[in-house]
Amino acid sequence: EAQVTQNPRYLITVTGKKLTVTCSQNMNHEYMSWYRQDPGLGLRQIYYSMNVEVTDKGDVPEGYKVSRKEKRNFPLILESPSPNQTSLYFCASSIDRGQPQHFGDGTRLSIL
Amino acid sequence: AQSVTQLDSQVPVFEEAPVELRCNYSSSVSVYLFWYVQYPNQGLQLLLKYLSGSTLVKGINGFEAEFNKSQTSFHLRKPSVHISDTAEYFCAVRAGGYQKVTFGTGTKLQVIP
Repeated sequence: EAQVTQNPRYLITVTGKKLTVTCSQNMNHEYMSWYRQDPGLGLRQIYYSMNVEVTDKGDVPEGYKVSRKEKRNFPLILESPSPNQTSLYFCASSIDRGQPQHFGDGTRLSIL
Repeated sequence: AQSVTQLDSQVPVFEEAPVELRCNYSSSVSVYLFWYVQYPNQGLQLLLKYLSGSTLVKGINGFEAEFNKSQTSFHLRKPSVHISDTAEYFCAVRAGGYQKVTFGTGTKLQVIP
């Protein structure tokens, strides 16, 4: 079954404590991306990757890092989380560039 | 720069009635357009997409959308909605030659029995 798996699904943490949200896909897709969803703002793209070792900023990259060392994994790293990064995060992948097709179930982060 | 506007944040409609969810975009170059659906506590699913060719695009679950270049619109329609269509719907645009996808703010469709 085609899947995009995110972990954790829920996390409550404190300001400044580094965290990583993992994302893995089993479809051998080249294109992967991260979004945050906030009420009234829709989804905003944080970072995307067109292939291994190829990443680029989306619309709201500040405070986030990503890496793409393997095709299947695209972790999102918050080096020093702050309360304004409290949000619902989605990872997505697709076979076509720039067209997110398969989404994970989301990770709800609360930064206190 | 590209942008998407979904003017209606909520659309209530009675079951079996038709519905139209509006989407307008802005871009200085050619575009690719998408509609996604998000059911409660789930990720997004791709409903349909316009890449080129016929301006009337059919998607899953009986939905369709029409690309209107002169009006810069990509409205989503369904002739008869069901309770199970209650969800939030997002329009998205990608300008040709670019990899960024921009989403609208979403429209919550509430189907009333």
